[in-house]
Amino acid sequence: EIVLTQSPGTLSLSPGERATLSCRASQSVSSNYLAWYQQKPGQAPRLLIYGASSRATGIPDRFSGSGSGTDFTLTITGLEPEDFAVYYCQQYGSSRGTFGQGTKVEIK
Amino acid sequence: EVQLVQSGAEVKKPGESLKISCKGSGYSFTSYWIGWVRQMPGKGLEWMGIIYPDDSDTRYSPSFQGQVTISADKSISTAYLQWSSLKASDTAIYYCARHSTVTTPSAHWGQGTLVTVSS
Repeated sequence: EIVLTQSPGTLSLSPGERATLSCRASQSVSSNYLAWYQQKPGQAPRLLIYGASSRATGIPDRFSGSGSGTDFTLTITGLEPEDFAVYYCQQYGSSRGTFGQGTKVEIK
Repeated sequence: EVQLVQSGAEVKKPGESLKISCKGSGYSFTSYWIGWVRQMPGKGLEWMGIIYPDDSDTRYSPSFQGQVTISADKSISTAYLQWSSLKASDTAIYYCARHSTVTTPSAHWGQGTLVTVSS
């Protein structure tokens, strides 16, 4: 089973700043089948990025994903108030997907 | 519009059995996989398993194999997650989600079902 490790655990930033979130896999993620989700309290997760770098439908272009193999990054350029939330990476390259433990982006 | 509607919150005692549901609408239910994800109180997301309702092909996370059963009834477009003997540690929110294939992410999620197991 592929283990995903996200860092940092918490990111304290101000609106307008840039957020950089990391996701590292214990082994190579096949075909870059890596997704990023956003979750707000009391809500289901929302798909942001799939295939490591493709934005899902309706996702603003301030969200971008990059990386390959075992190292992946989610960047939020110019944090908006609604972006403060928890973010999870997920690999879905094997038939048994796994999630990272999450990074909380909080208001500084 | 694609919708996944899950059954309501449950309060159970340890040792009891439970089956929660996820009903799909607005798409061909037998053409997509349904996955289940656990979120324990204040914790992260855990992938539990996935089923293809057309032929009931099912895959489990090693962590959940033998602990839960995933099933589907394609005649009523509904997937299920069940326990034969609940434990307090099963207290969590459980989400269902739709996948185009077993190797695609989930753009459509249910609203979640809160399961509370307490004596």
